[in-house]
Amino acid sequence: RKEVEQDPGPFNVPEGATVAFNCTYSNSASQSFFWYRQDCRKEPKLLMSVYSSGNEDGRFTAQLNRASQYISLLIRDSKLSDSATYLCVGANYGGSQGNLIFGKGTKLSVKP
Amino acid sequence: NAGVTQTPKFQVLKTGQSMTLQCAQDMNHNSMYWYRQDPGMGLRLIYYSASEGTTDKGEVPNGYNVSRLNKREFSLRLESAAPSQTSVYFCASGTLAGVSYEQYFGPGTRLTVT
Repeated sequence: RKEVEQDPGPFNVPEGATVAFNCTYSNSASQSFFWYRQDCRKEPKLLMSVYSSGNEDGRFTAQLNRASQYISLLIRDSKLSDSATYLCVGANYGGSQGNLIFGKGTKLSVKP
Repeated sequence: NAGVTQTPKFQVLKTGQSMTLQCAQDMNHNSMYWYRQDPGMGLRLIYYSASEGTTDKGEVPNGYNVSRLNKREFSLRLESAAPSQTSVYFCASGTLAGVSYEQYFGPGTRLTVT
């Protein structure tokens, strides 16, 4: 079983909509979580980190529920430029290498 | 800062040929990684290097070798390419900062093996 699972989508939403993605993880030892954004044919880039009770960055809010082992990403007032694939990522710290476990991604398409 | 750079950007190989993918980072990170990304499979770790002089296998190491040449450079070698190695290869670097661990990716190498 994949350690990090996401709904692949696609999520097709109009501009201005609020959209939420969920992600579940199976390894309760995972210590930190992240959301990465990947544009078509580009490399993944860190969008935001998710710690303990979550955090907010502008239109983006990430939440972590350790009891239920899921992470969410909420995007408010969607922009056309938000269209991308969003990767949910868990980090297991072993020694100093900090390996990341990537979900397969959720595709978002924001339409005018 | 250039961040993480990779060469080449594109490559076509015939089955059985060999090649080396180059990666360099200028962020003074200790750890470096090689991933492959295939449709429907997500990112999978091939090899990583926690620090200069050390390398370890990831999830899918078969058919690959790596060299951590120095702190900046981490190369990936395909000794005898196979069509199953057609993929997009990403190099990344990162470092622990408190409870945070972030990785920074290069632009990728698109490899086709015919």
